[in-house]
Amino acid sequence: ETVLTQSPATLSLSPGERATLSCRASQSVSGYLAWYQQKPGQAPRLLIYDASNRATGIPARFSGSGSGTDFTLTISSLEPEDFAVYYCQQRQNWPPLTFGGGTRVEIK
Amino acid sequence: QVQLVESGGGVVQPGGSLRLSCAATGFTFSNYFMHWVRQAPGTGPEWVAVIWHDGSKDSYADSVKGRFTISRDNSKNTVHLQLNSLRAEDTAVYYCAKTLLPTGGGEVFDVWGQGTMVTVSS
Repeated sequence: ETVLTQSPATLSLSPGERATLSCRASQSVSGYLAWYQQKPGQAPRLLIYDASNRATGIPARFSGSGSGTDFTLTISSLEPEDFAVYYCQQRQNWPPLTFGGGTRVEIK
Repeated sequence: QVQLVESGGGVVQPGGSLRLSCAATGFTFSNYFMHWVRQAPGTGPEWVAVIWHDGSKDSYADSVKGRFTISRDNSKNTVHLQLNSLRAEDTAVYYCAKTLLPTGGGEVFDVWGQGTMVTVSS
């Protein structure tokens, strides 16, 4: 099973600041990594797939990069609605599909 | 509008059973693999099961293999998850999810239902 480790667990930032979230895989997932945003009481929302492709309707301030085992989600300038929990997910080595433990982006 | 609506959750005793359903609208259901993903309180999502677009194949997480069964009815645009021999650690919100691309083109989830809560407790 491919384990995904996200860091940091919590990121405390102010609106307008840049957020950089990391996801590291226990083995190569090639470019097959996705990022989701989840707000309390809601289902996850797809942001990025295949490392760097924005899903439909996702603002350009969200970008993804990386390949192999190291991936990054960047939010260029935090908006109030971006404070949430973010998860990565791999689809290279499945079953099982696996998710990371999440990074909470909170208001400083 | 693409939508998934789950139902069937509830409170059940350890060892009990539940059947979850997910009704799909707004897309060609029979073209898509369908998945169930669960999320225990305060934790990240956990993939549970997948069924192929034509129902010919399925696959399960080790944690549920032999206890849960996924099925689908393409004539009714529904997918089901039968949960047997439930344990306390199965307590979670259960989501059905649609893949981004049809016929196994990419196992990422662009549409999720609202989720249905399953609580296993005596």
